[in-house]
Amino acid sequence: DIQMTQSPSSLSASVGDRVTITCRASQSVTNFLNWYQQRPGKAPKCLIYAASSLQSGVPSRFSGSGSGTDFALTISSLQPGDFATYYCQQSYSIPHTFGQGTRLDI
Amino acid sequence: QVQLVESGGGFVKPGGSLRLSCVASGFTFNDYYMSWIRQAPGKGLEWISYISGSGGTIYYADSVKGRFTISRDNAKNSVFLQMNSLRAEDTAVYYCARRGNYYYSSDSWGQGTLVTVSS
Repeated sequence: DIQMTQSPSSLSASVGDRVTITCRASQSVTNFLNWYQQRPGKAPKCLIYAASSLQSGVPSRFSGSGSGTDFALTISSLQPGDFATYYCQQSYSIPHTFGQGTRLDI
Repeated sequence: QVQLVESGGGFVKPGGSLRLSCVASGFTFNDYYMSWIRQAPGKGLEWISYISGSGGTIYYADSVKGRFTISRDNAKNSVFLQMNSLRAEDTAVYYCARRGNYYYSSDSWGQGTLVTVSS
């Protein structure tokens, strides 16, 4: 199985900050890499697919980058609703494993 | 708009069984793979199963293989998860999700249904 490792595990930031979360795969997943946001008590929501493609309806302050084994999710200017947990997921080979999550706090 | 609604969660003793259902609307159901993904309390996400649009291709995570069975009824826009031989470690919120046809992201999710396995 491909292991996905996110860093940091938690992060404190303020409204307006620019933040970056990274995700590393244990082997190449080319660009089969997705990012999800999960607010407390809610279902996850897909933000980015194919490493850098923005899901429909997702604000442009979210962006993704990377290929192969190293990826990043950047939020350019944090808004109050962005304080949540973020997960990466590889969809290159089954099982489609998730990272352990990054909790973004105020 | 895409909507997924799960049901069937509840409390069950170890070794017991439970059947989850997910009803879909807002898209052509049989054009998409569907999946089940779970989240133990306070933990991260775990993909557990996929089923193709026709139902002819199925995948499972090793953690549930041989105990869980995914199926679908395209006439009823529904996907199911039959869970047998349940263990305490199966306690989780179970989400139904639609798998995108390109790059295979889970592009739409239901609200989840809680399964608690305890004696």
